[in-house]
Amino acid sequence: EAQVTQNPRYLITVTGKKLTVTCSQNMNHEYMSWYRQDPGLGLRQIYYSMNVEATDKGDVPEGYKVSRKEKRNFPLILESPSPNQTSLYFCASSARRGHTEAFFGQGTRLTVV
Amino acid sequence: DAKTTQPPSMDCAEGRAANLPCNHSTISGNEYVYWYRQIHSQGPQYIIHGLKNNETNEMASLIITEDRKSSTLILPHATLRDTAVYYCIVSSQGGSEKLVFGKGTKLTVNP
Repeated sequence: EAQVTQNPRYLITVTGKKLTVTCSQNMNHEYMSWYRQDPGLGLRQIYYSMNVEATDKGDVPEGYKVSRKEKRNFPLILESPSPNQTSLYFCASSARRGHTEAFFGQGTRLTVV
Repeated sequence: DAKTTQPPSMDCAEGRAANLPCNHSTISGNEYVYWYRQIHSQGPQYIIHGLKNNETNEMASLIITEDRKSSTLILPHATLRDTAVYYCIVSSQGGSEKLVFGKGTKLTVNP
């Protein structure tokens, strides 16, 4: 089954404690991205990657890092989380060529206290 | 900013067709219209996309006006499970790259 898998689904952490949210896709997609969703602000892109070792900033990259060492994985790293990063996070992947659909993960609800 | 305008909410009776409008008056020639939906707080789900011709798949139909300035997503027989926020997105970048989500339309299907 084609899917994008995020872990963990829920996470409560403290300010400043480094964390990583993993994202994996099984569709051999070239393009992957991270979004955050906040009430009243909708979904906003954090980072994206067009292929292995190719990443770039989206609209709200501050406070986040990503890496793309393998095609299937695109982890989101918060080196020093702060309360304003409390949000619902989604990873997405899609085939690079042509007009195709994006597949989203189930989401990770992060709370930073 | 999103390039589309959608009504904030709509209601539909179960079993009836749900027609969700979207205005995209500034759409350019190489931009496609995409529809996604988000059920509660789950990840957005792709529904359908089109350039200028009407499209149909197992989930829905997409009707695009001849001038391409507006479109309508049709769910032919809405069920309670179709209750969701529906997003209309225009994109020239393969639709698979940066998706700019607006506020969407909250569709409530009533029994």
